[in-house]
Amino acid sequence: EAGVTQSPTHLIKTRGQQATLRCSPISGHTSVYWYQQALGLGLQFLLWYDEGEERNRGNFPPRFSGRQFPNYSSELNVNALELEDSALYLCASSFLRVGDEQFFGPGTRLTVL
Amino acid sequence: AQSVTQPDIHITVSEGASLELRCNYSYGATPYLFWYVQSPGQGLQLLLKYFSGDTLVQGIKGFEAEFKRSQSSFNLRKPSVHWSDAAEYFCAVTGFQKLVFGTGTRLLVSP
Repeated sequence: EAGVTQSPTHLIKTRGQQATLRCSPISGHTSVYWYQQALGLGLQFLLWYDEGEERNRGNFPPRFSGRQFPNYSSELNVNALELEDSALYLCASSFLRVGDEQFFGPGTRLTVL
Repeated sequence: AQSVTQPDIHITVSEGASLELRCNYSYGATPYLFWYVQSPGQGLQLLLKYFSGDTLVQGIKGFEAEFKRSQSSFNLRKPSVHWSDAAEYFCAVTGFQKLVFGTGTRLLVSP
């Protein structure tokens, strides 16, 4: 069974540009989560989507947004990139059951110059 | 709000020696607790989880963890460490579907 996949593996942008990161969940999973792992800041929850709806959002500005498609894949968009957005962005998926484990993809390394 | 504390930033263990990584959590109700491992440049792999029931939980790769409600702890253990266990370990608690992670403990294994 295929795991969570993310693309691209690496992404280099300049300040002010927009970045789009993509995630495909494990087959059967309806929930997709996005986390940011920035140097010195640890792993922080960004967004949770389920059945095409945003269900929960972490403490990030509105320029971090996303969506979930009918096939449950998801996009994370980061507008007006800032240097501190440089991080590893991890996507995870799960069934929608309370406390169910989340399975993580390998991440997208975003570098903002 | 829920939180997780991993007091040890780095731990060095000799190959073959036992390991214990500490994790303390803060959560208002019965917590759902997890340990994940991250190798360099990789995503997170679930080692084990605790939802309810037996407080000693067995996981993959020979790891186990014990839930102690009185101490708000969920420490990870392994009786004999292998060089391939060198990685970063994250304890996490879940609240309303989002995972709240500790800052991680980097495990170094010496020969």
